[in-house]
Amino acid sequence: QVQLVESGGGVVQPGKSLRLSCAASGFVFGTYAMHWVRQAPGKGLEWLAVISFDDTVKNYADSVKGRFTISRDNSKNTIHLLMNGLRVEDTAVYYCAKDYWRLRYYFDSWGQGTVVTVSS
Amino acid sequence: DIQMTQSPSSLSASIGDRVTITCRASQSISNFLNWYQQKPGKAPKLLISAASTLQSGVPSRFSGGGSGTDFTLTISSLQPGDFATYYCQQTFATPPPTFGQGTRLEIK
Repeated sequence: QVQLVESGGGVVQPGKSLRLSCAASGFVFGTYAMHWVRQAPGKGLEWLAVISFDDTVKNYADSVKGRFTISRDNSKNTIHLLMNGLRVEDTAVYYCAKDYWRLRYYFDSWGQGTVVTVSS
Repeated sequence: DIQMTQSPSSLSASIGDRVTITCRASQSISNFLNWYQQKPGKAPKLLISAASTLQSGVPSRFSGGGSGTDFTLTISSLQPGDFATYYCQQTFATPPPTFGQGTRLEIK
């Protein structure tokens, strides 16, 4: 079965950086787009970024464009989210999610999430 | 970006009740509408895609309908495991895909 496991969350000061990872298994990783979605405490879902199956397409939400970078390594079945210039408002649970197919932008599998807290 | 508005924001109901959650898009999105269920402390789960296509393993008491700007998620007979927060999501105009603010379904 599909499994997505995020890691890399933690407590970080404003302005600092953090790199999240998501290890995937149970499906042919190199044929699916992958996404990051976050959820601030007590709030709804916010899509952040997508990377296409072949790494040719990357798109970002306006709220993170220029600060966050999504990447993937198909040889290791992993995706990453490099977060620079973190702000207090970036505090959230960060989920990686598998696209239904190739850039359909809806998510049929999710990880358990990793918590990022930005605080001085 | 397309705005998605769910109503109600919260709902109290009893086991066995029939409940309907509404999602409205700020412009026509055809049937590019998906529904997720999220239980406390857990990741969301895809229930319905393309407005009315039930995902594998999702009980048939869940159903979705609508097209254009107005959509519904109906649970025909509430079960204990259905108490959760439900989100709609549009994928007509991407990026970004956008979610509704959520509807919290609580036990009466």
